[in-house]
Formats: sequence, C-alpha cells, structure tokens
Amino acid sequence: DIQMTQSPSSLSASVGDRVTITCRASQTILTYLSWYQQKPGKTPKLLIYAASSLQSGVPSRISGSGSGTDFTLTISSLQPEDFATYYCQQSFSTPRTFGQGTKVEIK
Amino acid sequence: EVQLVESGGGLVQPGGSLRLSCAASGFTFSSYEMNWVRQAPGKGLEWVSYISGSGTLVYYADSVKGRFTISRDNAKNSLFLQMDSLRAEDTALYYCVREWGSYDSFDYWGQGTLVTVSS
Repeated sequence: DIQMTQSPSSLSASVGDRVTITCRASQTILTYLSWYQQKPGKTPKLLIYAASSLQSGVPSRISGSGSGTDFTLTISSLQPEDFATYYCQQSFSTPRTFGQGTKVEIK
Repeated sequence: EVQLVESGGGLVQPGGSLRLSCAASGFTFSSYEMNWVRQAPGKGLEWVSYISGSGTLVYYADSVKGRFTISRDNAKNSLFLQMDSLRAEDTALYYCVREWGSYDSFDYWGQGTLVTVSS
C-alpha cells in the first residue's frame, strides 16, 4: 500500500498569511494526487485534482504543485473561511490512501 | 444538482450486520465509479471500498475485506454496503462518494450515515 504523510499535522496562522502544507507518498504516484478541505461537521470538499488542477469554484488563492512523491498545497493569503483540516489522497493505486490531515487553526 | 443521500446507519452490537444505502440523483449514475469512505469520530478519512460503473470490479480496504460487500443497482441509482461481522473499530461516519475524471478524484460526497458498533 502507498503511505501518504502530511506535514505539519497542525499549524496556527493569521488571516493574510501564506500557508504551505506538504504531502509525501511512499512511492511515486505521478500526479494522481488530490487535496480536500473539511470544516468541522461538514463533508470533505475537493480543492485540487491531478496535483495542480483547481476544482471548479475553488478560489485562486489555493494552489497545488508537485509530482512523483512530493506535493504541496499553498494558500497564498489565508482567509477566515480557510480555517479547516486539509487532506491529501492518492488515486494512483488501490487502496486509495489519505494523508492523516493538517489542521489549520487561527493564531 | 448532484445529490448523494446515505441511509441505514445505526447502533449495532459487535458481530452484527448493517446494510448501508446511498441514493444518487442529478447525474448518470451508471457512468460513474463509486466509493465508500469512512471517518471515525475525531479521526481522519479512510477509504473503504470501490465499485466500477458496471459493478463488475470491486476493491476493499484490508481492514474490511471478507466482512463488507459493496454493490450497486444502476436501474435504481443506488449504491450499497453490506457490513457483516462488525467490530467496535468499524464505528464511523460512512460517506458515499462519487469518483470523477481521469485522475479519479472524489468530487461529490454524501452527508454520511453514522454506524456505531457497541454492546
């Protein structure tokens, strides 16, 4: 199975900050990488697919990059609605594995 | 509008069974692969099972293999998860999830149905 490791597990940031979350796969997944946002009590929402493609309706301050084993989710200027938990997920092979999540909290 | 509505969750004793259902609408159900993903209370996301559009190809997480069975009824736009030999560690919110695109992302999620395994 492919293991997905996110870092950090949590972070505190202020509105307007640039935030970067990393995700590392235990073996190459090419660009079969998605990012999801989950707010408390809500369902996960697809933000990024194919490592760097922005899902329709997602604000352009959110971006993804990477290929192979190392990936990054960046929020260029953190907004109040961005405080949530973020998950990466690989779809290169089954089982479809998720990272453990990164909780973005208000400083 | 795409909608996925799960049902069938509840409280069950260890060793018991439950059948989850997911009613899909707003898209051509048979054209999409579907998944079940679960989330234990306060924990992260765990993929559980996959089924192809025709229903002929299925996959399971090792943690549920041999105990859970995924199926679908394309005529009724419905997805199912038969859960047998339930364990305490199966306690979670179970999401019905649509798989989309060339990179197999999960683009639509239901609201989830809660399964609690406890004596």
